[in-house]
Amino acid sequence: EVQVVESGGDLVQPGGSLRLSCAASGLTVSSDVWNWVRQAPGKGLEWVSVIYSEGRTHNADSVKGRFAISRDSSKNTLYLQMSSLRAEDTAIYYCARDADWGYDYWGQGTLVTVSS
Amino acid sequence: QTVVTQEPSLTVSPGGTVTLTCASSTGAVTRNNHPNWFQQKAGQPPRPLIYDTINKHSWTPARFSGSLLGGKAALTLSGVQPEDEADYYCLLFYGGAQRVFGGGTKLTVL
Repeated sequence: EVQVVESGGDLVQPGGSLRLSCAASGLTVSSDVWNWVRQAPGKGLEWVSVIYSEGRTHNADSVKGRFAISRDSSKNTLYLQMSSLRAEDTAIYYCARDADWGYDYWGQGTLVTVSS
Repeated sequence: QTVVTQEPSLTVSPGGTVTLTCASSTGAVTRNNHPNWFQQKAGQPPRPLIYDTINKHSWTPARFSGSLLGGKAALTLSGVQPEDEADYYCLLFYGGAQRVFGGGTKLTVL
């Protein structure tokens, strides 16, 4: 059975850092394309970051230079390292697999709140 | 900055048919944008419905279909059910690994 579980969300002060995790079972993080997508309270979906099977990464302009996507093959886990956090980064963060130009498996999300 | 535009809201009667569209500020949406469609209900993660323009996931009900229509990506619901009331989002792929979600359509079944 496929399972995707995000964790690491928390309340953090502006300017702070946080690392999110996404543990996958039934799927292989290192051999697929994986993304982070976020949703601010009451707002729409926003694509954040992608990592390809060969390791190449790409970020949305809104997080460029502040967020970094990575993975640990031994733990079959995806990460999002977030720094210089701002109030507008407050959102539920989802990880999602991208297979054959389709986002198929998503986690339930983890909430990040940036506030003093 | 690339913007993807959807109808903010639509209303459909039970049993009816409705088409949601997804337009790109860069021009006509093509199969090279690999349109995806997602359904989201309150408090839940997005549920994938359509990928790569027309393809359905194994869990996608038959009443949902994807297409290209007049330079836009389209999601058509035929024989709408009350449980189809939800927010719907499209996603387009662009060169340079960029992906952009549309702003979402709130579908009311009334």
